[in-house]
Amino acid sequence: DTAVSQTPKYLVTQMGNDKSIKCEQNLGHDTMYWYKQDSKKFLKIMFSYNNKELIINETVPNRFSPKSPDKAHLNLHINSLELGDSAVYFCASSQGGAGRGNTIYFGEGSWLTVV
Amino acid sequence: GEDVEQSLFLSVREGDSSVINCTYTDSSSTYLYWYKQEPGAGLQLLTYIFSNMDMKQDQRLTVLLNKKDKHLSLRIADTQTGDSAIYFCAEGFGNEKLTFGTGTRLTIIP
Repeated sequence: DTAVSQTPKYLVTQMGNDKSIKCEQNLGHDTMYWYKQDSKKFLKIMFSYNNKELIINETVPNRFSPKSPDKAHLNLHINSLELGDSAVYFCASSQGGAGRGNTIYFGEGSWLTVV
Repeated sequence: GEDVEQSLFLSVREGDSSVINCTYTDSSSTYLYWYKQEPGAGLQLLTYIFSNMDMKQDQRLTVLLNKKDKHLSLRIADTQTGDSAIYFCAEGFGNEKLTFGTGTRLTIIP
């Protein structure tokens, strides 16, 4: 069973559209994340949720809205997609904060291409 | 501010040791990590070191931390083709946040 699963894996869409990426973890972790990896492989945190509460929101445009219906799910909705949103989006989870020596588990990524 | 730098590329002959280096600017980190990303996959934690340690060994992996110079390295002994990947160092600050380095793409020469 996949520990952190995200869908879709590939997404090609036109500028201006609204899209969502879903993420689920079956590890019983209390903390979930969204990371963005650009074409140069730079990896930046976008959001972090702990027990459904937003903990980290890193200067991400308002067009990006995370939603955590329960602690096993963290979805990412993106409005009015722009060309610069093209990237790989990684969902991740950990038990306790990842910066405290706790292992963070990553999903396989969602490749978003905006045309 | 947080700034974590790595060389972008490293090529090593199969069987040799690989040394991947990382420098960081924020010395308040409590943990420093090494992650591996294989093509088309997410990141996988390899190892981490607490900031008050200067060395950690785990099988073929040796992590060295020079806190004075803000320098972290990962040595992979007897490098194999399966070690080809992008390696990221990361800083943890005792909360939920990890700041990742720019990544080093390791290529193994047969």
